[in-house]
Amino acid sequence: SQKIEQNSEALNIQEGKTATLTCNYTNYSPAYLQWYRQDPGRGPVFLLLIRENEKEKRKERLKVTFDTTLKQSLFHITASQPADSATYLCALHRDDKIIFGKGTRLHILP
Amino acid sequence: EPEVTQTPSHQVTQMGQEVILRCVPISNHLYFYWYRQILGQKVEFLVSFYNNEISEKSEIFDDQFSVERPDGSNFTLKIRSTKLEDSAMYFCASSEGIGQGGDTQYFGPGTRLTVL
Repeated sequence: SQKIEQNSEALNIQEGKTATLTCNYTNYSPAYLQWYRQDPGRGPVFLLLIRENEKEKRKERLKVTFDTTLKQSLFHITASQPADSATYLCALHRDDKIIFGKGTRLHILP
Repeated sequence: EPEVTQTPSHQVTQMGQEVILRCVPISNHLYFYWYRQILGQKVEFLVSFYNNEISEKSEIFDDQFSVERPDGSNFTLKIRSTKLEDSAMYFCASSEGIGQGGDTQYFGPGTRLTVL
């Protein structure tokens, strides 16, 4: 079955620096990979989607890469701010369902 | 901005009781989903629903679970006989209609289910 691993449970980054989160998956390569943000007690909020034929996607301070050879996606937040502190979820799509990773709790330290 | 709404925000029930969790998806969306998240664990897919029928379901979604779109706006998840391990946050989501992961899923705020 498909498995998703996000590199660490928690990550502390100094404000202003770039935060990089990793998502690795096993088995088949999904057609799409998404990143979500989840705040405590709230539902996931969609951030970015990248397709298997795309190497990189950007949105404001966010950048996602997708390497189907390494079976890995990297999620970058540049010029990080304390408000970026949250749990970030990697999600793979197959058919009509999403498989989520456990998430990485990101803390941006002022 | 349109959003997915869920009621109630918190449901407490006794083991063995039936519960119905309610969701109002975004009005022009065609795909609907239920997920659950046990405290401290990852978000898990339960079921997707399109064109008035289940399009996919996970191993978690056994005979105790059912979904329904009783009218043009509501989407419900019923748990027939709740177990302690059903305690979790339940999220509803909807998407425009590409499905297959090609479009964005919008999540509701969740219903926290506590089974005593």
